Amino acid sequence: AQSVTQPDIHITVSEGASLELRCNYSYGATPYLFWYVQSPGQGLQLLLKYFSGDTLVQGIKGFEAEFKRSQSSFNLRKPSVHWSDAAEYFCAVGYTGRRALTFGSGTRLQVQP
Amino acid sequence: KAGVTQTPRYLIKTRGQQVTLSCSPISGHRSVSWYQQTPGQGLQFLFEYFSETQRNKGNFPGRFSGRQFSNSRSEMNVSTLELGDSALYLCASSISGYSYNEQFFGPGTRLTVL
Repeated sequence: AQSVTQPDIHITVSEGASLELRCNYSYGATPYLFWYVQSPGQGLQLLLKYFSGDTLVQGIKGFEAEFKRSQSSFNLRKPSVHWSDAAEYFCAVGYTGRRALTFGSGTRLQVQP
Repeated sequence: KAGVTQTPRYLIKTRGQQVTLSCSPISGHRSVSWYQQTPGQGLQFLFEYFSETQRNKGNFPGRFSGRQFSNSRSEMNVSTLELGDSALYLCASSISGYSYNEQFFGPGTRLTVL
C-alpha cells in the first residue's frame, strides 16, 4: 500500500530564513504529488502539484517543490519565510486510476520574528 | 465561484448520540470526499461519493456513513458517538474524484463528543 512520510513533525525557522519541508512516498508507480497548507481553524489549500514533466514546480505564495524519483521525495522549499507562513503543511500522493489521496501526517511550521 | 461550504462549523454532542454533517461542493463538482482529522491520526480518508454513489471507502466502522444527493451535496452521519470521534471533519470536492483532479477543501466541522 502507498504511504507518505513527513519526517519532521514540527519545524521552527526565523522570518527571512529559507525553508525546506521533507516528503517521501512509497510506491512503484509514477505518483501525482501535492502539497497543501492548513492555517489554524481552516481547511486545506493547495500550494502546488506535480504530475509529470519538469521536476521543479512552482506554486502559490512563493513556494516550490522538487520531485526526485531516485529518492522518492517531493520536498517543499521557500527561499525566505514570512510570519504568515506559519501553518501546518501536508504532502499527499495519488496514482493513476485511484480516487483517493494519501496524506502525510503533516509538518507544523512555526516562524520566529 | 463559491467555495466548498460545510455546516455546521461547530458541534457538541454527548456519547451515544448521532450527528449529521453537511457539505456543499463547488458548483460543477460531482465528487465529494470526507476526511477525519485528529492530532494523533492526522488526515484519514472516510469515503468518497460521485454521482450519488459511494466510489471509495476508508477503514472506518459502519457507524460512519454518508450519502450524496442529486445536486452533489453530501452528508455524513455518525451514529452512537464515541469520545474518539471528536475531530475536525473535512470535506473536499473535485470534478471527477480521480486523484489527478485538485481537491478543494471546506473549512471543516469541529465535532466535540463529551
